[in-house]
Amino acid sequence: SAVISQKPSRDICQRGTSLTIQCQVDSQVTMMFWYRQQPGQSLTLIATANQGSEATYESGFVIDKFPISRPNLTFSTLTVSNMSPEDSSIYLCSVDSIGEQYFGPGTRLTVT
Amino acid sequence: AQSVTQPDIHITVSEGASLELRCNYSYGATPYLFWYVQSPGQGLQLLLKYFSGDTLVQGIKGFEAEFKRSQSSFNLRKPSVHWSDAAEYFCAVGGSGNTGKLIFGQGTTLQVKP
Repeated sequence: SAVISQKPSRDICQRGTSLTIQCQVDSQVTMMFWYRQQPGQSLTLIATANQGSEATYESGFVIDKFPISRPNLTFSTLTVSNMSPEDSSIYLCSVDSIGEQYFGPGTRLTVT
Repeated sequence: AQSVTQPDIHITVSEGASLELRCNYSYGATPYLFWYVQSPGQGLQLLLKYFSGDTLVQGIKGFEAEFKRSQSSFNLRKPSVHWSDAAEYFCAVGGSGNTGKLIFGQGTTLQVKP
């Protein structure tokens, strides 16, 4: 199994600013994933982050808006840049461990 | 196109009654199927998963799900619902070697009446 922590757990930000979300895993993993859950919606994959390479973004998500860092095998960050109210969502980090997907508790972001 | 459909957005059942949550998927390769539960303010918890083998899989908290390839379905069941089961339930599909990239359904909100 994998235990994942995220910081911050929630934040309220003003439009036009940026927020960096941290994800820490208690074991080394090859790939980490970032999902977005908009209010009342399901989860959508933003990108896959491999250590030592550029993140791979899903359709509709771009690096300029959601830059990702993956400095080592247990840590990743997702930045939400130039925020607008439409970015208000829960952002979740996840990892794949032996075929099971584990999710962090999420970061609840509200943009005003 | 790859997708997951949960036809029921909201379901209400009485405590002690049986439960079935529907999930249909469209996936081009052999699907790996998952059910997750999300309680208010909580993260996602894996209830059960199907990769291969026996099409009836048992999960935590008394849940089970049956994979029916002919119907492209993976319905979640529980024989007797408890008030603590009230939550959001998500069905998801991924592929072998690619289980990190999951496609989620829209979710079903379960309300339990006393």
